[in-house]
Amino acid sequence: KNEVEQSPQNLTAQEGEFITINCSYSVGISALHWLQQHPGGGIVSLFMLSSGKKKHGRLIATINIQEKHSSLHITASHPRDSAVYICAVQKTSYDKVIFGPGTSLSVIP
Amino acid sequence: EPEVTQTPSHQVTQMGQEVILRCVPISNHLYFYWYRQILGQKVEFLVSFYNNEISEKSEIFDDQFSVERPDGSNFTLKIRSTKLEDSAMYFCASTLTGGWLHFGDGTRLSIL
Repeated sequence: KNEVEQSPQNLTAQEGEFITINCSYSVGISALHWLQQHPGGGIVSLFMLSSGKKKHGRLIATINIQEKHSSLHITASHPRDSAVYICAVQKTSYDKVIFGPGTSLSVIP
Repeated sequence: EPEVTQTPSHQVTQMGQEVILRCVPISNHLYFYWYRQILGQKVEFLVSFYNNEISEKSEIFDDQFSVERPDGSNFTLKIRSTKLEDSAMYFCASTLTGGWLHFGDGTRLSIL
């Protein structure tokens, strides 16, 4: 069984829509990461969470430690948000990051 | 903003040949990682490196793989005798405190 699951696998949205990507994990963690992978392949860290909620621009990430669940929200989506969004977890600080399968987002003008 | 840099961006190698992938992590970072992503699959952990030694390695990281930080700046991944299944995108990452990860843009390795 995969330790990190994401849904949906693929998502197409119209520009301006509110988007939610979900992540669930099965192990105890010290931190959860949300990352963005561009079409060219590069990976960028968006958030690192251990509790609660974080906001950066139009992106919001939340985590519920008891339910082992996190969500990434994008408000007022734009075509430039089109990318693969990856949830990843760390069991302890300094530990390797365990990646989820990613959610491929396409935002249509 | 400081960046993790990886070279080359694309490497094409004949099966059985040795290949060295190079990374320059952010200068004051302490923890270094190699990950790989086979086309269409999720990113997988290969190895972590701290204090000039391997701190953890995955099952993928067999005797054909090695890592080095020879001069305090470069961090290299060597594959001694490449196989077709080594074709993948290889990412280097570094972090100062074990938290926020900084990734390089990756090296696409193609084994013929």
